[in-house]
Amino acid sequence: KNEVEQSPQNLTAQEGEFITINCSYSVGISALHWLQQHPGGGIVSLFMLSSGKKKHGRLIATINIQEKHSSLHITASHPRDSAVYICAASLSGGGADGLTFGKGTHLIIQP
Amino acid sequence: EAQVTQNPRYLITVTGKKLTVTCSQNMNHEYMSWYRQDPGLGLRQIYYSMNVEVTDKGDVPEGYKVSRKEKRNFPLILESPSPNQTSLYFCASSRTRAGGINEQFFGPGTRLTVL
Repeated sequence: KNEVEQSPQNLTAQEGEFITINCSYSVGISALHWLQQHPGGGIVSLFMLSSGKKKHGRLIATINIQEKHSSLHITASHPRDSAVYICAASLSGGGADGLTFGKGTHLIIQP
Repeated sequence: EAQVTQNPRYLITVTGKKLTVTCSQNMNHEYMSWYRQDPGLGLRQIYYSMNVEVTDKGDVPEGYKVSRKEKRNFPLILESPSPNQTSLYFCASSRTRAGGINEQFFGPGTRLTVL
């Protein structure tokens, strides 16, 4: 069974700081997903990674398959980035794609 | 507008009274899934479906049923709800790809309370 660990659980930072959230998993995966859950509860998908690095605006996601580790970075953080960030891993192998989630990182960006 | 819809958004019910939470997507996605979210436990997968008439158990399937008779709909059925099924439920859908799924689109959530 895949275990997905996120760190830190909680993070408070000042506006403008560079933010890093980490995700590690225990078995081979086909893809790693990063999700954002807004204070109102809605969930949006930020990235899906199977290798390398992806960038969208101020958000960057990286994955190291050998080390079974992924990071989500936020540059020039802003109070509107305050949310819960969740990583989820889908297992290797063809066919079915169950997802295992980390418990989330609660990020607060103070003005 | 591309979206995943869930109904109802809020439901308070009593133990043992059968209920169905509907989920529908208009993006022609092959993959659909149900999750529950609980404080301290995060999101956990209940059931998922890779396509019509194909369903698989996730991590916490006990007490739930699903069906996928049409591509757009994936209802979650609680035959005899119990208080431990009080939770926030999310439905999601995505396209499939070789070896897995693509980014998921989530519904707005259904907050269920079982008394």
